[in-house]
Amino acid sequence: AQKVTQAQTEISVVEKEDVTLDCVYETRDTTYYLFWYKQPPSGELVFLIRRNSFDEQNEISGRYSWNFQKSTSSFNFTITASQVVDSAVYFCALSDSGNQFYFGTGTSLTVIP
Amino acid sequence: DAMVIQNPRYQVTQFGKPVTLSCSQTLNHNVMYWYQQKSSQAPKLLFHYYDKDFNNEADTPDNFQSRRPNTSFCFLDIRSPGLGDAAMYLCATSRRTGSGTEAFFGQGTRLTVV
Repeated sequence: AQKVTQAQTEISVVEKEDVTLDCVYETRDTTYYLFWYKQPPSGELVFLIRRNSFDEQNEISGRYSWNFQKSTSSFNFTITASQVVDSAVYFCALSDSGNQFYFGTGTSLTVIP
Repeated sequence: DAMVIQNPRYQVTQFGKPVTLSCSQTLNHNVMYWYQQKSSQAPKLLFHYYDKDFNNEADTPDNFQSRRPNTSFCFLDIRSPGLGDAAMYLCATSRRTGSGTEAFFGQGTRLTVV
């Protein structure tokens, strides 16, 4: 069975601090895909990144970076120099060869000015 | 421009009164999903369509039905809403299966049952 765990329910940081959101997944598939989504208060889930199971390269996009480690089944997300606009709920998700997306329970990030 | 559009954004319905939520997409994606998200919880998949093929999750109550008359539109029908059905309902689309393409979400419909 597929499972995504986001152990951090809520995180608060002061603006300009770095913050890492943890994601641990479980799957028996050899081919799978990992995602991060941002859900601001407006409600829409905004796609941030996709990684397939064969690509362990870390990725950086502006202030965002992602660390994918198959050895620990983790796909962590770091925001550097956090800003108030980063305040949102962040979901990690796993997709297998079927149609389904399996979401973690989300981490609510509050960036304090 | 919004690619997955849900209407209405907010819906208030009476206990037991049927309600329909709608979703449309301009992406021409094969797959459309309906998720239920309760406060501080992960989105929970109710069902999805791959083209016209309907896939119901095993634990989706019979009270929830869906229709997809064409590629662009998908509807969620709640036949007899209960207080426990109050939630955010999210529609999403993706291009096809097995390719790991991301899902695109609408802004959701927040359903209140009174």
